[in-house]
Amino acid sequence: GIQVEQSPPDLILQEGANSTLRCNFSDSVNNLQWFHQNPWGQLINLFYIPSGTKQNGRLSATTVATERYSLLYISSSQTTDSGVYFCAVGNQGGSEKLVFGKGTKLTVNP
Amino acid sequence: DVKVTQSSRYLVKRTGEKVFLECVQDMDHENMFWYRQDPGLGLRLIYFSYDVKMKEKGDIPEGYSVSREKKERFSLILESASTNQTSMYLCASSLLGQETQYFGPGTRLLVL
Repeated sequence: GIQVEQSPPDLILQEGANSTLRCNFSDSVNNLQWFHQNPWGQLINLFYIPSGTKQNGRLSATTVATERYSLLYISSSQTTDSGVYFCAVGNQGGSEKLVFGKGTKLTVNP
Repeated sequence: DVKVTQSSRYLVKRTGEKVFLECVQDMDHENMFWYRQDPGLGLRLIYFSYDVKMKEKGDIPEGYSVSREKKERFSLILESASTNQTSMYLCASSLLGQETQYFGPGTRLLVL
């Protein structure tokens, strides 16, 4: 099946810094989503982005489907950005089934 | 707002017990999913359902079964709980044809 690799596994930032999280995948996809899991375990969908670029406030994401990677940008990080960021992809006919990466754990210090 | 609720935040069971985890969504979503999350492994799909009484195995269905008798409710069943099923269980739902998944708060299950 499709493999999803996220990097880096851990990231520590000072408040106000910018960061880039990467997701590589091993096959073509028709579904790619980024999620944030807060310290209490709740996962929130950030982007549905199988290709192209999207922005939402301080967060933006770009997927280059032909090169099989996606990037999540966090600008002017805040302590509330802390948590784990997951990339998940789907590539079957029913693209609802997602395969998750192992996540990037982000810690933003005040 | 989409709301996905799970019956318990924390659950402690004994080996061999039958365990039911319930998930309810209030947005008339066709698709519902059960994942488990373990440290260092990310989320892995156990089962999913795309309609009432329909189910498909995910990547790790062994030791689990599911039930979907009503559109809004998707149950995960551990027929005979074992210690290796200690985990965080997450339910999600999505609208047919729209891939965005919405997650519940999770159930932390400890099997002793």
